[in-house]
Amino acid sequence: GAGVSQTPSNKVTEKGKYVELRCDPISGHTALYWYRQSLGQGPEFLIYFQGTGAADDSGLPNDRFFAVRPEGSVSTLKIQRTERGDSAVYLCASSANREETQYFGPGTRLLVL
Amino acid sequence: AQSVSQHNHHVILSEAASLELGCNYSYGGTVNLFWYVQYPGQHLQLLLKYFSGDPLVKGIKGFEAEFIKSKFSFNLRKPSVQWSDTAEYFCAVNGGGADGLTFGKGTHLIIQP
Repeated sequence: GAGVSQTPSNKVTEKGKYVELRCDPISGHTALYWYRQSLGQGPEFLIYFQGTGAADDSGLPNDRFFAVRPEGSVSTLKIQRTERGDSAVYLCASSANREETQYFGPGTRLLVL
Repeated sequence: AQSVSQHNHHVILSEAASLELGCNYSYGGTVNLFWYVQYPGQHLQLLLKYFSGDPLVKGIKGFEAEFIKSKFSFNLRKPSVQWSDTAEYFCAVNGGGADGLTFGKGTHLIIQP
């Protein structure tokens, strides 16, 4: 079946701009996660959704970052006033529920100039 | 807070050599442990996982890992590597009610034919 998909695959933006990154989880998966992976590092947890609600947003670095999942399926990660330090690969993962294996998407590579 | 340490950032082996990648974690409570692999140009995929039970876990493609609680370790092993094992390997832990995975920095494995 279809895996986790993310769009766009690449995004180039200018410092100070607003960006949205989209994640389509595996159908039926109630748990959805966002991670950020900087060069030479492992993925870093940002936020976890159970259904429509953000159950854990402790990994969001600051209030410029926000994520939604209004219908409990697709999720959008939103970054306001982007900074060069936000450049990274943003990964989305989903699982059948919180206790199950997380399946990762291909990521969105964000470059802030 | 949890942390994961992977001892080797770069490993180069010849085909048919034996492999062991080290992973240590810091959390003292009950943990779930994972090894993920990222082949060139592909997204993260699960190699194997440990939740409970037999501490020797078998995964895909001939990989195995052993959970040693007293050493806070979850080392990955393969008796005979192949050129196609060239990839980035990440150890990850989830414990203490944390929702997201905590990843190590990864080990870049290169297998020379």
